[in-house]
Amino acid sequence: AQSVAQPEDQVNVAEGNPLTVKCTYSVSGNPYLFWYVQYPNRGLQFLLKYITGDNLVKGSYGFEAEFNKSQTSFHLKKPSALVSDSALYFCAVRDIEGGKLIFGQGTELSVKP
Amino acid sequence: GEEVAQTPKHLVRGEGQKAKLYCAPIKGHSYVFWYQQVLKNEFKFLISFQNENVFDETGMPKERFSAKCLPNSPCSLEIQATKLEDSAVYFCASSLGQGRQETQYFGPGTRLLVL
Repeated sequence: AQSVAQPEDQVNVAEGNPLTVKCTYSVSGNPYLFWYVQYPNRGLQFLLKYITGDNLVKGSYGFEAEFNKSQTSFHLKKPSALVSDSALYFCAVRDIEGGKLIFGQGTELSVKP
Repeated sequence: GEEVAQTPKHLVRGEGQKAKLYCAPIKGHSYVFWYQQVLKNEFKFLISFQNENVFDETGMPKERFSAKCLPNSPCSLEIQATKLEDSAVYFCASSLGQGRQETQYFGPGTRLLVL
């Protein structure tokens, strides 16, 4: 069975500092990995995805993610956090059969001024 | 349209009542997915469609939940005889294709509260 795990329920960062939100995956075959962000009372917004190719994927709002096959990780990063980045972040893997997304538990990012 | 649209935004039902939720996918997208978000974080897949055909229904509690995507109409998710545990936010997503590289774009969700 495929799965993703987000080991941290909450990440706290000071504005201007780099941020990392962790995600590890367990899949059979090649992983297709996604990051989404959810602002309060809003839907999920797509940030970026890894399909194949470069291990460093750049996405929306200055976010990037690093795919590491040996560590089965796909951590989300941003060099300089903004207060407006405070939200819930979800890592997901696309299911081999049927195309549904399998989500991690979510990580609440809090960026303080 | 350019975004996935979901109606209504909020829905309150007494236990045992019916609830019907609607989703209009992005124009040109052939695949529609329904997810249920409970307890703020946990996402559960319910069902997906390829145009008007059910593609994957492995997540559907079939005894009370049903869904349709008919031509020229919004897709719908219906819950007969709602229960307290159906209280959740229901998200619809659409994608151009079914390939694993395809991005799913989500609507704003419908918040269902069952009293």
